Amino acid sequence: DAGVIQSPRHEVTEMGQEVTLRCKPISGHNSLFWYRQTMMRGLELLIYFNNNVPIDDSGMPEDRFSAKMPNASFSTLKIQPSEPRDSAVYFCASSPWEGGNTGELFFGEGSRLTVL
Amino acid sequence: GENVEQHPSTLSVQEGDSAVIKCTYSDSASNYFPWYKQELGKRPQLIIDIRSNVGEKKDQRIAVTLNKTAKHFSLHITETQPEDSAVYFCAAIVNYGGSQGNLIFGKGTKLSVKP
Repeated sequence: DAGVIQSPRHEVTEMGQEVTLRCKPISGHNSLFWYRQTMMRGLELLIYFNNNVPIDDSGMPEDRFSAKMPNASFSTLKIQPSEPRDSAVYFCASSPWEGGNTGELFFGEGSRLTVL
Repeated sequence: GENVEQHPSTLSVQEGDSAVIKCTYSDSASNYFPWYKQELGKRPQLIIDIRSNVGEKKDQRIAVTLNKTAKHFSLHITETQPEDSAVYFCAAIVNYGGSQGNLIFGKGTKLSVKP
C-alpha cells in the first residue's frame, strides 16, 4: 500500500481565498483523523471520522473550517475564507480500528499551508 | 476532555547517554498510550505503545513505563545515538464504546543527541 496520501504537499495562497486539502487513507482503515501542527500549539486534533461518520469535531477552530468524508477512500478539509493564522502543516492520519483495540495511526506526509 | 502534558520541551544528551521524557494525562479512562517520533520535515511515526493493563514495555533501546495511579507515563531511550535526534510526542486516547477514540498529543520534546 502507498500509505496515506495527501495533496497538495505545499500550498501558498492569499488571505480570503478558499483552501481545500485532500486525503486518501490506507485501504481498509476505517478511522480518519485531521491534525494541524504549529510550533506554538503542537499537534492539534481538528476532527476525526469513524466509518465515514464524524465522531468529534470539537477541535475545528471555527466555522471557516469544514471537513467531509463522502466515502471510505477520500476526505477533504476546507478553509473558507483562509487567514494568515491558518498557516500550518495539516496532517491526515488513518487507523485500522480493531473493534475495541486502538489501532496505530498512520500519518500522511502533510500539507504545508501558507496564507499570505 | 483529555489533557496531556509533556516534559521537557527540549532535551540535549551526549551520545551513549540515556534520555527520559515524561508525560501526564488527566482522564483516568484513558487506556492507550503511544509514542511517536517525528524527524525534521517528516511525518510522525509510532515507535512504541503501551496499554493500560501493562506497566512496562521494552523494544531494544526503547522502553515505556506506565503508572495508572499517578496518571503518568515515560519514554526511556538508552545508549542514545545521533539518529535518535527528533521530536518525540506522547499521546493518550480514550476509547468510546463502539468506535475508535481520539488521540490527544503532548506538545512534544525536541531531543538532540550530540556525537
